[in-house]
Amino acid sequence: KAGVTQTPRYLIKTRGQQVTLSCSPISGHRSVSWYQQTPGQGLQFLFEYFSETQRNKGNFPGRFSGRQFSNSRSEMNVSTLELGDSALYLCASSPDRVKNEQFFGPGTRLTVL
Amino acid sequence: GNSVTQMEGPVTLSEEAFLTINCTYTATGYPSLFWYVQYPGEGLQLLLKATKADDKGSNKGFEATYRKETTSFHLEKGSVQVSDSAVYFCALSPGMDSNYQLIWGAGTKLIIKP
Repeated sequence: KAGVTQTPRYLIKTRGQQVTLSCSPISGHRSVSWYQQTPGQGLQFLFEYFSETQRNKGNFPGRFSGRQFSNSRSEMNVSTLELGDSALYLCASSPDRVKNEQFFGPGTRLTVL
Repeated sequence: GNSVTQMEGPVTLSEEAFLTINCTYTATGYPSLFWYVQYPGEGLQLLLKATKADDKGSNKGFEATYRKETTSFHLEKGSVQVSDSAVYFCALSPGMDSNYQLIWGAGTKLIIKP
């Protein structure tokens, strides 16, 4: 099976712009979670989608949003980018919310200038 | 509430040394426990897991035992290699009580010197 894929792998934006990141989960996985990883804050949970519905949300401002499509692919959007949004954004898919074994993609490295 | 505490890094060891990375947790109910590893420039990979008390997870020479009496899930390896250099994350899945959201430790950076 193909692993979790994320596009793009690298992105450079300027303050005030918006960005959309994409995640394709492993085939058959219906749960997709997003994380922000920075050197200072570690791994921070953004949100989780399951069957096109947001099930969990972390403590991030409303500029961060996401959605999931019927084929389980997910996108996250960040509007009005700030310098502090520079981070590695990781997507993880899981076949089963109960067991919650997550499979991670390689991440999208976002740099905000 | 639910939480995971890992020993702070970086942990620096020589090749073939014995490794222990401590992880303790707080949780209600009966969580599942995980160790994930992140190699430089990559996403996280599941290293091992345990779903009930006294279970031992093992993979690639790493082991961790789910100790409910001490609420711990310490990661061990008998002889580390340079290729084990990475960041290690301990995590727990509290289950239905917390809507299945994974709780993560802060990560421990491991540096192995030849």
